[in-house]
Amino acid sequence: EIVLTQSPGTLSLSPGERATLSCRASQSVSSNYLAWYQQKPAQAPTLLIYGASSRATGIPDRFTGSGSGTDFTLTISRLEPEDFAVYYCQRAGSSYTFGQGTKLEIK
Amino acid sequence: EVQLVESGGGLVQPGGSLRLSCAASGFTFSSHWMHWVRQAPGKGLVWVSSINNDGSYTVYADSVKGRFTISRDNAKNMLSLQMNSLRAEDTAVYYCVRDVHGFGAFDIWGQGTMVTVSS
Repeated sequence: EIVLTQSPGTLSLSPGERATLSCRASQSVSSNYLAWYQQKPAQAPTLLIYGASSRATGIPDRFTGSGSGTDFTLTISRLEPEDFAVYYCQRAGSSYTFGQGTKLEIK
Repeated sequence: EVQLVESGGGLVQPGGSLRLSCAASGFTFSSHWMHWVRQAPGKGLVWVSSINNDGSYTVYADSVKGRFTISRDNAKNMLSLQMNSLRAEDTAVYYCVRDVHGFGAFDIWGQGTMVTVSS
């Protein structure tokens, strides 16, 4: 089973700064099947990125997904106050796996 | 409006059963794979089960295999999850989610329904 490890566990930044979140897979993952989600407290997750780099409908262009093989990255170019949340990566295949999440908090 | 609305959650004793339902609207339900994802209180997201467009293929996480059954009724735009032999560790919010064609990503999520397994 492919394990996804996200780092860091917690990222403390200020609005306007750039955020870089990592997702590392224990085996190679097809880029078509790597996604990123944002979850705010007491809300369902929201799809941000699918296919490793395609933004979902309505997602601002400050969110960028990149990577291939075992290393994937979600970059938020200039943090807005509403971006502080928990972020999960996820892969699809014969089954589906989520990373453990990265909490992006206000510094 | 594209929408998924779950129901059926509640408090159940260990070893008991519960059936979750998800009503889909605003899109062609029969064109999409569907999934259940759960989240224990204060924890991360965990995939539970998936079903293909016509219901002929299902897959489960090892933790629920043999205890949970996913099904769908495309005529009624309904997704279901029958949960038997429930354990304390099944306590979670259960989300019904829609699959993005060809990418295995989850683009539409319901609001979730809470399942609590406790005596």
